[in-house]
Amino acid sequence: RKEVEQDPGPFNVPEGATVAFNCTYSNSASQSFFWYRQDCRKEPKLLMSVYSSGNEDGRFTAQLNRASQYISLLIRDSKLSDSATYLCVVNQAGTALIFGKGTTLSVSS
Amino acid sequence: DAGVIQSPRHEVTEMGQEVTLRCKPISGHNSLFWYRQTMMRGLELLIYFNNNVPIDDSGMPEDRFSAKMPNASFSTLKIQPSEPRDSAVYFCASSLTGKAPQHFGDGTRLSIL
Repeated sequence: RKEVEQDPGPFNVPEGATVAFNCTYSNSASQSFFWYRQDCRKEPKLLMSVYSSGNEDGRFTAQLNRASQYISLLIRDSKLSDSATYLCVVNQAGTALIFGKGTTLSVSS
Repeated sequence: DAGVIQSPRHEVTEMGQEVTLRCKPISGHNSLFWYRQTMMRGLELLIYFNNNVPIDDSGMPEDRFSAKMPNASFSTLKIQPSEPRDSAVYFCASSLTGKAPQHFGDGTRLSIL
């Protein structure tokens, strides 16, 4: 079983749609959680950290369910500029970040 | 502020040649990471350093790969001899600590013919 699993997509949605991505992780000792965004032929960039109580940053909401070892990212009112690959990332004590393969989002007008 | 700086941006070379990739982390960051990204395997951690010391090199594919960090502001990833299957984008990233969010360089797009 892979350590971090994501649905690769692609998710094709119209502008203004709400879209949700899910991610599962295998190691219950994971302590830190992040979502990164990667544009085509660019480097990954931190989108947001994920906290146990859930957190929101504008149109983006991240949630963590430790019992189910599940992380989600919700994007509301999607924009053309949201088109990218979204990487789910987890960290365990004493190890480096572990990246999922990413979920591709394409927002069309 | 300068981010993570990698060089070269692109490298095309013939198999069997030595390839050296370079990275300058963000000043003040104590952890440095080398990743390889391909369509098939995604983003794979090759090795990471903490305070210039290699902590985990279990992701280094084989003996043809080596990485060094002689000081806090410079690291190299070397492939010798290179093979076509090494073709990928190689990213360097740095962070304040091993668990903190990482900042990535622009990557080196490596093609081995």
